[in-house]
Amino acid sequence: NAGVTQTPKFQVLKTGQSMTLQCAQDMNHNSMYWYRQDPGMGLRLIYYSASEGTTDKGEVPNGYNVSRLNKREFSLRLESAAPSQTSVYFCASLRLPSGASSYNEQFFGPGTRLTVL
Amino acid sequence: GESVGLHLPTLSVQEGDNSIINCAYSNSASDYFIWYKQESGKGPQFIIDIRSNMDKRQGQRVTVLLNKTVKHLSLQIAATQPGDSAVYFCAENEDNNNDMRFGAGTRLTVKP
Repeated sequence: NAGVTQTPKFQVLKTGQSMTLQCAQDMNHNSMYWYRQDPGMGLRLIYYSASEGTTDKGEVPNGYNVSRLNKREFSLRLESAAPSQTSVYFCASLRLPSGASSYNEQFFGPGTRLTVL
Repeated sequence: GESVGLHLPTLSVQEGDNSIINCAYSNSASDYFIWYKQESGKGPQFIIDIRSNMDKRQGQRVTVLLNKTVKHLSLQIAATQPGDSAVYFCAENEDNNNDMRFGAGTRLTVKP
């Protein structure tokens, strides 16, 4: 299993440009998430998708849109990038409780480092 | 609002010593807590978790302690190794919902 994969690893944009961050997981998880991580702050939830075909806003959704293309893929789009969106973006998927564990467990991708000039 | 936080932003220990990383939380309704390890340039990696009906849970070289009275969580790493150098942060969750709240992290540096 590749786990959670993200592309690209790095990206530099100019203010006003648009781009889509891609995320895929091969663990057959229903729930997927997009977080941003800024220096000195914890991960903050941008959007999540509890299942294919559904998406919901998290703590900091402004300036972003998402698409749950299918069960594997969950993309994050910046329509008009702003310097405040310079951050490291992490995608995650969630394994629900099973016989081995009664707890949820999130699996994270390696991140996309985005700089907006 | 309620938040998750960490007492110390940095911790430096000698190889072989034990490390203790602390975390304070303020949501008394949180019933599930996780410790993550994040190495430079990588995504967070699950280390160990604990539910609120427990006060201690042990893994391989790691122990998590939960004190619900003072809303405090700690991660103990035994015989710290250079490979343990990373940022560690805690997260809290209530009722297995989708609102996982993360602390900012503590950077652990292990000196050889």
